[in-house]
Amino acid sequence: GESVGLHLPTLSVQEGDNSIINCAYSNSASDYFIWYKQESGKGPQFIIDIRSNMDKRQGQRVTVLLNKTVKHLSLQIAATQPGDSAVYFCAEKWETSGSRLTFGEGTQLTVNP
Amino acid sequence: ETGVTQSPTHLIKTRGQQVTLRCSSQSGHNTVSWYQQALGQGPQFIFQYYREEENGRGNFPPRFSGLQFPNYSSELNVNALELDDSALYLCASSWEYTEAFFGQGTRLTVV
Repeated sequence: GESVGLHLPTLSVQEGDNSIINCAYSNSASDYFIWYKQESGKGPQFIIDIRSNMDKRQGQRVTVLLNKTVKHLSLQIAATQPGDSAVYFCAEKWETSGSRLTFGEGTQLTVNP
Repeated sequence: ETGVTQSPTHLIKTRGQQVTLRCSSQSGHNTVSWYQQALGQGPQFIFQYYREEENGRGNFPPRFSGLQFPNYSSELNVNALELDDSALYLCASSWEYTEAFFGQGTRLTVV
């Protein structure tokens, strides 16, 4: 079936570097994409979202890029900090799915001091 | 903190037993979704409730059932527990079908 997947299961960066986490999706009907951060023992925390009629959206230290041509989503974190260490998931939703989210498997980001 | 609370936080059950997990949605939210998250994997959609009715279901057997109450809180019930049901169960609430906020989850261990 349709699914959202991540290219890399782990990513290790130095504190202060920029991080890029990638995601591939396969459902061309998806019109809404979200990045979540999940720390150990906690539920997913909303980071940033983007609709399919956009190709870029910026938040505080984070930027999401959407390339619909190749069905690719990325999360860029600027000046990565130790507190950014967590598992990051991309998720997709489409208009007829209600609030149902389809998640990928996640990327473990480790920030080294 | 998202305002979505789940109880209990941890639970150990024996194979074959039944379990009920609870979720209190964020104030003003009328939609609740439940997800199962196995260790090292992304959350998998179980079902969602909108205004007290099930409105969408994932690939889970009928022994997974739920309820939503007039105050929009919700329960997830699992009958005839299996070892593979061991997971983190997440509840998410939203207003209509907008941004979903997750609770901390209930860690269920089936032995």
